[in-house]
Amino acid sequence: EIVLTQSPATLSLSPGERATLSCRASQSVSDYLAWFQQKPGQAPRLLIYDASNRATGIPARFSGSGSGTDFTLTISSLEPEDFAVYYCQQRSNWVTFGQGTKVEIK
Amino acid sequence: QVQLQESGPGLVKPSQTLSLTCTVSGGSIRSGDYFWSWIRQPPGEGLEWIGYIYYTGTAYSNPSLNSRVTISLDTSNNQFSLKLSSVTAADTAVYYCVRLHCSRGSCSRGGSFDFWGQGTLVTVSS
Repeated sequence: EIVLTQSPATLSLSPGERATLSCRASQSVSDYLAWFQQKPGQAPRLLIYDASNRATGIPARFSGSGSGTDFTLTISSLEPEDFAVYYCQQRSNWVTFGQGTKVEIK
Repeated sequence: QVQLQESGPGLVKPSQTLSLTCTVSGGSIRSGDYFWSWIRQPPGEGLEWIGYIYYTGTAYSNPSLNSRVTISLDTSNNQFSLKLSSVTAADTAVYYCVRLHCSRGSCSRGGSFDFWGQGTLVTVSS
């Protein structure tokens, strides 16, 4: 099983600041990596697929990068609605998710 | 716009079988561009992939759950279903049905979980 490790567990930032979230895979997943945003009581929402492609309707402030084992989700300038939990997910070998990073208001 | 909706009992007794159905609207489950998936989330925890099924009826499931999971298609009603046997309290979770959109001309790897149902909470308790 490919294990995805996200860091940090919690990120405390203010609106307007830049958020950088990390996802590390226990073995190479090529670029078969996605990012999701989840707010309380809601289903996850696809943000990024294939490591760097924004999903339909996702604002340009969200960007993804990386390949192999190290990936990053960047939110260039946090909006109030961006405070949520973020998950990475791979489908290179079966499907696994990271444990999540909570982006909270400082 | 594709929509998915889960339905089924919200309470299941230990050792029994959990059964859920997902109704898909706005698109056909007979397309070769998608896998139809189940993903769950225990209260306050992260996401776990349960399994998925292709329009041919070929299904794959998480090795950690493999022997307890059955996923099936009902193409006449545009639905797919999940059965999870021998449940325990550890199976208490919100269960989501999700579309996996294959990409790059292949369904063997990659793709994106692009449309999700709202989720349904299933509690395992006597």
